Amino acid sequence: EAQVTQNPRYLITVTGKKLTVTCSQNMNHEYMSWYRQDPGLGLRQIYYSMNVEVTDKGDVPEGYKVSRKEKRNFPLILESPSPNQTSLYFCASSLRSTSGAGELFFGEGSRLTVL
Amino acid sequence: AQSVTQLGSHVSVSEGALVLLRCNYSSSVPPYLFWYVQYPNQGLQLLLKYTSAATLVKGINGFEAEFKKSETSFHLTKPSAHMSDAAEYFCAVSDGGTSYGKLTFGQGTILTVHP
Repeated sequence: EAQVTQNPRYLITVTGKKLTVTCSQNMNHEYMSWYRQDPGLGLRQIYYSMNVEVTDKGDVPEGYKVSRKEKRNFPLILESPSPNQTSLYFCASSLRSTSGAGELFFGEGSRLTVL
Repeated sequence: AQSVTQLGSHVSVSEGALVLLRCNYSSSVPPYLFWYVQYPNQGLQLLLKYTSAATLVKGINGFEAEFKKSETSFHLTKPSAHMSDAAEYFCAVSDGGTSYGKLTFGQGTILTVHP
């Protein structure tokens, strides 16, 4: 089954304790991206990756890191989490489309709480 | 820069009534437009997308949307609401080109369906 898998789905942590949210897709997609969803703000892009070893900042990258060492994996790293990073996080992937109209496939989300 | 505005953070309808969710966009180039649906505790899934082929776009579950360039709108409609349509709906825009899979999302509209 074609899917984007995120782990963990739920996490409660404390300020400053480094954490990683993993994301893996089995569709051989070139493009992967991380979004955060906050009430009233919709989804905002954190980082994206066009392909292996190619990553770039989205609209809200502060406090986050990513890496793309393999095509299927795109982990999100919070080096020193703070309470304002409490949010619902989504990983998404798509085929690289020159028309820009490729469909994004989303994971089920990771709900993070930073105390 | 592109942006999306969804009018109404909450919409409530009776089962069998017309569903109308409003979306207006701003884009400096011809846009690609999307509607996504998010059911509770799930990721987003694509309802439909506009890629300039036809102004009236039909999607899954009986939904459709009409692209109106003069009004910069892409409203989502369904003739008869069903209880299973209760979810949060997001309008999104992509300007194509080098943006590839980057979507800019609206704030979301929560649809409630009453028996």
